[in-house]
Amino acid sequence: GQQLNQSPQSMFIQEGEDVSMNCTSSSIFNTWLWYKQDPGEGPVLLIALYKAGELTSNGRLTAQFGITRKDSFLNISASIPSDVGIYFCAGRGIQGAQKLVFGQGTRLTINP
Amino acid sequence: NAGVTQTPKFQVLKTGQSMTLQCAQDMNHNSMYWYRQDPGMGLRLIYYSASEGTTDKGEVPNGYNVSRLNKREFSLRLESAAPSQTSVYFCASSEGLFEGYYGYTFGSGTRLTVV
Repeated sequence: GQQLNQSPQSMFIQEGEDVSMNCTSSSIFNTWLWYKQDPGEGPVLLIALYKAGELTSNGRLTAQFGITRKDSFLNISASIPSDVGIYFCAGRGIQGAQKLVFGQGTRLTINP
Repeated sequence: NAGVTQTPKFQVLKTGQSMTLQCAQDMNHNSMYWYRQDPGMGLRLIYYSASEGTTDKGEVPNGYNVSRLNKREFSLRLESAAPSQTSVYFCASSEGLFEGYYGYTFGSGTRLTVV
């Protein structure tokens, strides 16, 4: 089945730094989604991408749908303590009733 | 507040005990899902329900059963709990099956420990 590889698995940064993470797939996706999970809560949708090359922002967050349709990137600028959590990518393939597939998550820790 | 409500939030079971995790959504969504989250493995789909009256297996269905009681409620049952089922369980819902456009809305999770 389809798999997503999300990297890095964890990040330890200083407050104010920029953050980059990405997801890659072995197959083509027609939708990429980025979720954030706060400690003790469920994932919440941050950004959705629907077209190859699309670049979408949500405040300090920017995500891109890769041109090859096999990858996506999430950047966070000027990190703040409330950015702490686990970030998941999710994607949906192009054929038939494809399930939404989730990456393994990137755990972000911020040192004040 | 509109959303997905899961109960209980925490549970400790002894090996062999049974329990049911409850999930309800008030967004009039058609599809509902149960995931488990384990460290380093992301979210794995246990069972899903495309619409009221239908259920299907996901990636890791063994040891679980589900019931789509009505459009709002989708429960997950562990008949004989095992330590390997220690995990955080999330219920989610979406307008359409495997909705890619708007994604899923998740509950806040049930943290289950089997000893």
